[in-house]
Amino acid sequence: GEQVEQRPPHLSVREGDSAVITCTYTDPNSYYFFWYKQEPGASLQLLMKVFSSTEINEGQGFTVLLNKKDTRLSLNLTAAHPGDSAAYFCAHGNEKITFGAGTKLTIKP
Amino acid sequence: GALVYQYPRRTICKSGTSMRMECQAVGFQATSVAWYRQSPQKTFELIALSTVNSAIKYEQNFTQEKFPISHPNLSFSSMTVLNAYLEDRGLYLCGARLSGTGQAVFFGKGTRLTVV
Repeated sequence: GEQVEQRPPHLSVREGDSAVITCTYTDPNSYYFFWYKQEPGASLQLLMKVFSSTEINEGQGFTVLLNKKDTRLSLNLTAAHPGDSAAYFCAHGNEKITFGAGTKLTIKP
Repeated sequence: GALVYQYPRRTICKSGTSMRMECQAVGFQATSVAWYRQSPQKTFELIALSTVNSAIKYEQNFTQEKFPISHPNLSFSSMTVLNAYLEDRGLYLCGARLSGTGQAVFFGKGTRLTVV
């Protein structure tokens, strides 16, 4: 079945620095991609939904890049702040959504 | 906005007993409902996908005999964990998808199952 490799599993950056999380997927026909944030003890919060036709997507404080040629999806936090500390999951699929293994992001003061 | 409620939030059951959890979509009609499990220190595994007017599709390693699902209308789904054992513990998430393809799945807060 479809697989998603998410890197790194753990990431620690200083407040104000950037952070990059990357997912590599195997299904070249995927149309829809998602990034979710999970704070400790909480459920999943949708950060961004990306369609395969859009390669650069900007949110509040982050950018999502989709490289279809390399089948790679990345989440780039531009200036990390303490509230960004959480687990982040990429996901993609058409009818069925497959999740990456997650990245635990820690923001140091 | 679109909200998904799950009940109960936490539950503890004895090994070998069964536990039923519920998922309610509020404010929208969910054309499909997916049940996921997040085991300790792991990612989200899809258990089954239930789509309106289609049979419920279970993923490999998950069966209807173990995780029977009911999806009687566009706003409600329930799943039972039968004969729960230690390996069944984790956070069970219900994800409801808005009508129309390409819509993101909205998740409830989950039901955390502990087996003792």
